[in-house]
Amino acid sequence: GENVEQHPSTLSVQEGDSAVIKCTYSDSASNYFPWYKQELGKGPQLIIDIRSNVGEKKDQRIAVTLNKTAKHFSLHITETQPEDSAVYFCAASTTGTASKLTFGTGTRLQVTL
Amino acid sequence: EAQVTQNPRYLITVTGKKLTVTCSQNMNHEYMSWYRQDPGLGLRQIYYSMNVEVTDKGDVPEGYKVSRKEKRNFPLILESPSPNQTSLYFCASSPVRLAGDTNTGELFFGEGSRLTVL
Repeated sequence: GENVEQHPSTLSVQEGDSAVIKCTYSDSASNYFPWYKQELGKGPQLIIDIRSNVGEKKDQRIAVTLNKTAKHFSLHITETQPEDSAVYFCAASTTGTASKLTFGTGTRLQVTL
Repeated sequence: EAQVTQNPRYLITVTGKKLTVTCSQNMNHEYMSWYRQDPGLGLRQIYYSMNVEVTDKGDVPEGYKVSRKEKRNFPLILESPSPNQTSLYFCASSPVRLAGDTNTGELFFGEGSRLTVL
């Protein structure tokens, strides 16, 4: 089955700096790659997603890039703010939808003042 | 308010005592799923359901049962809990129907149920 590796496991940045989280996947049939943000004591929430026919997608301060050849995708957060502090999960699916998502192990992002 | 509701939120139990974690969604979603979250392991899928009376195993189904008799409810049953089932459990739902559905089907998660088995 699919295997998703995520790095780093923890990331500390100063407010205003950029943060990058990287994931690699094993199944070349994967075609849907969402990113979820989990705040303390809450369930994960979708923040951005990308399909395999797109190389990059942006939504304000966040962006996701996908390299199908290398089988990796990354989350970029610019101008980080304290409220960006959370655990971020990448995921991959071969169904093109949210069903049968395989999640990465998570990255704890801390934005310091 | 659109939401996924799990109960209980916290539970401490003993080995072998059957328990059920309930999950209910009010968004008329076809797809529902259970995940467990453990440090360093991320979110792992236990069981999922594409629709009423349709359930299938995820990646870590051992020791768990589910049922989907109604669209809105998807309870997780631990017939004989063991300490290795101590974890944070999440129920999620999505409007996704079939593979290839153009609706990406965002997963909506509940707030989580923290289970400790002694």
